[in-house]
Amino acid sequence: DTGVSQDPRHKITKRGQNVTFRCDPISEHNRLYWYRQTLGQGPEFLTYFQNEAQLEKSRLLSDRFSAERPKGSFSTLEIQRTEQGDSAMYLCASSPGGVKGTEAFFGQGTRLTVV
Amino acid sequence: DQQVKQNSPSLSVQEGRISILNCDYTNSMFDYFLWYKKYPAEGPTFLISISSIKDKNEDGRFTVFLNKSAKHLSLHIVPSQPGDSAVYFCAASGETSGSRLTFGEGTQLTVNP
Repeated sequence: DTGVSQDPRHKITKRGQNVTFRCDPISEHNRLYWYRQTLGQGPEFLTYFQNEAQLEKSRLLSDRFSAERPKGSFSTLEIQRTEQGDSAMYLCASSPGGVKGTEAFFGQGTRLTVV
Repeated sequence: DQQVKQNSPSLSVQEGRISILNCDYTNSMFDYFLWYKKYPAEGPTFLISISSIKDKNEDGRFTVFLNKSAKHLSLHIVPSQPGDSAVYFCAASGETSGSRLTFGEGTQLTVNP
């Protein structure tokens, strides 16, 4: 399978715990994005990597959120001290870059439930 | 501030007829527009896109129209099929937004057999 892969698919955690999600992009894609989607809304941009460099981060992103992309391959998104408002679908996407606005290919997402 | 808006939360059409999904945007710096389709429990799947230098782009049963003066785009699906039933998201990007996509709220399309 050469698509974007996310792990885990589902995560239930208690409020205050830390969680980490992983994304494996399409192998030849150098751009990687994280989005968050809540019920009834479209995906909301969180952050973006070009290779290993984090080039953009949403102003809405709390300091409790951190993302990495070591070696420009897979990426991780960590949420510290989770809150109930963090419950959402977390989507990863990748694109080949080089052409502005090129289509992003999404993974199946990680659904987080904070109880 | 909702820069991309899909005013119709849902749309129902008969199989074989045309489906028209609409999208409005407010940011005049957007210059690239995309439509994604999403089935339950799956990530969005890219469908079709259009650059602001064009007013129409066609791919099989799917056509996207762009009216820059009205800041409006639409997706036409002809003929509609039951397998087209999904949530459709409009998205936009531009110079000032970098590589990020700004999405609308989505429209649930139901195609009845």
